[in-house]
Amino acid sequence: AQSVAQPEDQVNVAEGNPLTVKCTYSVSGNPYLFWYVQYPNRGLQFLLKYITGDNLVKGSYGFEAEFNKSQTSFHLKKPSALVSDSALYFCAVRGLTPSGTYKYIFGTGTRLKVLA
Amino acid sequence: EAGVAQSPRYKIIEKRQSVAFWCNPISGHATLYWYQQILGQGPKLLIQFQNNGVVDDSQLPKDRFSAERLKGVDSTLKIQPAKLEDSAVYLCASSPQPAGVPYNEQFFGPGTRLTVL
Repeated sequence: AQSVAQPEDQVNVAEGNPLTVKCTYSVSGNPYLFWYVQYPNRGLQFLLKYITGDNLVKGSYGFEAEFNKSQTSFHLKKPSALVSDSALYFCAVRGLTPSGTYKYIFGTGTRLKVLA
Repeated sequence: EAGVAQSPRYKIIEKRQSVAFWCNPISGHATLYWYQQILGQGPKLLIQFQNNGVVDDSQLPKDRFSAERLKGVDSTLKIQPAKLEDSAVYLCASSPQPAGVPYNEQFFGPGTRLTVL
């Protein structure tokens, strides 16, 4: 069965420091991996995705993510955190279901808090 | 470009009542999704449309939930009758690519927060 795990409910980081939000996945076939961010009272916003090719994917707002096939991970990173990055981050995998459709499976989310 | 619109933004009802949510996707987007997001959890797909056809409704509780996208544009999601455990945020999303494309990102609306008392 397909699944996504975000092992940390919350990550705290000081402004200006690098941040990492962890994600591991399980999927049959090729993984299509995504990161979304959710600000209070707003819907999810797409940050970046991995389809194939380069393991380091760059996305919006200076975020990047590293795909590691052997560790089945897709960690979100940013070299220098901003207070405005404080939000809820969701990792998602899109895999093929037995019925032949592609379905998004979201993780439970990690709350990032950047401290000034 | 206008985003995904949803209404109402908030709804409070008593259990056993009915409720309906409306979604207007981004113009030209073929694929539309409804998700349920319970507090502290990630979004869970309820139903996926491509144009006006259902692609996946395997996780839709069909005894009480229904959804339609009659003209392949707007969509409504209905709950009848509501239960306490239906309290959640209901998110609508759309995507320009067909449902069979696995790597398409989704554009989400702001959601409707439902409270069932």
